[in-house]
Amino acid sequence: DAKTTQPNSMESNEEEPVHLPCNHSTISGTDYIHWYRQLPSQGPEYVIHGLTSNVNNRMASLAIAEDRKSSTLILHRATLRDAAVYYCIEAGGFKTIFGAGTRLFVKA
Amino acid sequence: DAGVIQSPRHEVTEMGQEVTLRCKPISGHNSLFWYRQTMMRGLELLIYFNNNVPIDDSGMPEDRFSAKMPNASFSTLKIQPSEPRDSAVYFCASSPNGQGLGTEAFFGQGTRLTVV
Repeated sequence: DAKTTQPNSMESNEEEPVHLPCNHSTISGTDYIHWYRQLPSQGPEYVIHGLTSNVNNRMASLAIAEDRKSSTLILHRATLRDAAVYYCIEAGGFKTIFGAGTRLFVKA
Repeated sequence: DAGVIQSPRHEVTEMGQEVTLRCKPISGHNSLFWYRQTMMRGLELLIYFNNNVPIDDSGMPEDRFSAKMPNASFSTLKIQPSEPRDSAVYFCASSPNGQGLGTEAFFGQGTRLTVV
């Protein structure tokens, strides 16, 4: 079973920042936190991952709480193309279990 | 690289028929995953391989499902006999190493299977 908790859906306005929360209160010390997103009719797409420190890449930023029990994916300026389901995952070993994710709606 | 390639993209078959889904992972990736996605159950991990060896098939729903990886560049997921409840989108993904080791997985476009 998925071990992360995310809101079912969120809404954002275009060109505004979006903060997508995730709780992973039972995460072990060696598990990575991965974020993927799935656009309509496509396979999941990697967004970002981290272990303890905050991470930035061209797509997003990942803020990880000091106790690692929660994290936040930050899209700095949402566009209509960012409308997707966003999955937060604890990745331990080879196995990756997806939860239900957060469906992000972006309004023009 | 062309990414993970799955075939066919769409498959419609009659109940009782054998179905074979194919996957070509990204060259050099050591891990390969098969997922199934339905509205009711979301994304489910069926099986994964590391260095062509099945590591965990606990997600395979029943004996009608089987997966093979004869070499590093090819994997199949077979359903025999197929049933209407097998209708879903099946995704293949590959990763340089296991995602728990800090590497990302790359997903194919999926095969939409409809069993009538």
